[in-house]
Amino acid sequence: NAGVTQTPKFQVLKTGQSMTLQCAQDMNHEYMSWYRQDPGMGLRLIHYSVGAGITDQGEVPNGYNVSRSTTEDFPLRLLSAAPSQTSVYFCASSYGGVEQFFGPGTRLTVL
Amino acid sequence: GIQVEQSPPDLILQEGANSTLRCNFSDSVNNLQWFHQNPWGQLINLFYIPSGTKQNGRLSATTVATERYSLLYISSSQTTDSGVYFCAVEQPNDYKLSFGAGTTVTVRA
Repeated sequence: NAGVTQTPKFQVLKTGQSMTLQCAQDMNHEYMSWYRQDPGMGLRLIHYSVGAGITDQGEVPNGYNVSRSTTEDFPLRLLSAAPSQTSVYFCASSYGGVEQFFGPGTRLTVL
Repeated sequence: GIQVEQSPPDLILQEGANSTLRCNFSDSVNNLQWFHQNPWGQLINLFYIPSGTKQNGRLSATTVATERYSLLYISSSQTTDSGVYFCAVEQPNDYKLSFGAGTTVTVRA
């Protein structure tokens, strides 16, 4: 199993550009989520999904969109990047809401 | 929402020393996890421990759910133990992890 994979590892955007952060898992987990981590802080939840076709907002959803068309994939879209979205983004998955497993992260810089 | 407090915020250890990290949470939880974030930023699962005690090598953890706290013990610390240790909890029927601010551990040779 590859576990939770994220692409890209690093990305630099200009203000106003759009992009999609990819997340995939091969563990047949129902639950997937996106977190962001800012310097010196713990992770904060952006959006989550409890199954294909179902998504919901987390603690800091503004400026981000998600969709869940398959069990395996959970992409995060930035429609118009802002410097405040400079952060490290982590995707996570779990089965039955128990132990969660995290991907390696995407380091995003918005200039 | 649920509050998660970790202490101490920073910990400096000499190699070989033992230490205890604490996590307090403000409400009932059905999931508690400890993570180690290494210097490369990777989050490594240490323990899934909503209650009871678990051990994995030099690390062990205890969660007392009725008193709303968890402890992570590091024994015979090594330089590779350096990094940030996070406690994260999930409330019943919530499926979302709420993280503490972390404890930064530095182990000196």
